[in-house]
Amino acid sequence: DVKVTQSSRYLVKRTGEKVFLECVQDMDHENMFWYRQDPGLGLRLIYFSYDVKMKEKGDIPEGYSVSREKKERFSLILESASTNQTSMYLCASSLGGGDSTDTQYFGPGTRLTVL
Amino acid sequence: AQSVTQLDSQVPVFEEAPVELRCNYSSSVSVYLFWYVQYPNQGLQLLLKYLSGSTLVESINGFEAEFNKSQTSFHLRKPSVHISDTAEYFCAVSGMDSSYKLIFGSGTRLLVRP
Repeated sequence: DVKVTQSSRYLVKRTGEKVFLECVQDMDHENMFWYRQDPGLGLRLIYFSYDVKMKEKGDIPEGYSVSREKKERFSLILESASTNQTSMYLCASSLGGGDSTDTQYFGPGTRLTVL
Repeated sequence: AQSVTQLDSQVPVFEEAPVELRCNYSSSVSVYLFWYVQYPNQGLQLLLKYLSGSTLVESINGFEAEFNKSQTSFHLRKPSVHISDTAEYFCAVSGMDSSYKLIFGSGTRLLVRP
């Protein structure tokens, strides 16, 4: 079974702090994703990575950056956290190869609260 | 570009009753369609997907969805629900011209009551 793990289930940070959210997958997947999930809005893509050191902006990249130094690990960085970034953050991975039929496998999520 | 509409934010239903969760999409290209489920305190997992062929697709736990191209719909149905089906259900679409991108609907919370 594919396993996607996220470093924290719950996180509380203060406005202006730098925040790191980490995601690890164990199935040698090419693609990794960061989404945020908000009530009534579903999931919105923040960033996508299709290979080590490769990334593409999603629909809502403002205020976020990402890092993928190893194939299995994808980090989401909030350079200066703000209260409007309070949300549930979901990481996902998929096999890759440019195929949009791929199943995405999700981690359990990190609920981030910015005070 | 694609978009997905799930008009029902919450669907309450009694155990053993049938249920339909509605999903409509719009796209200028042909699409692949997905239903994902999120059980309480868990990440999303794939329930079923339509890629091609038969327009009726089934999951292992009794759900089915039918792709209707003329109505641009992909409604999810189950003839008899269980308490354990209580979860949030997300419809998602991917354009055949897209290498990876999934567009999600806003989700429908299915609440099964005894």
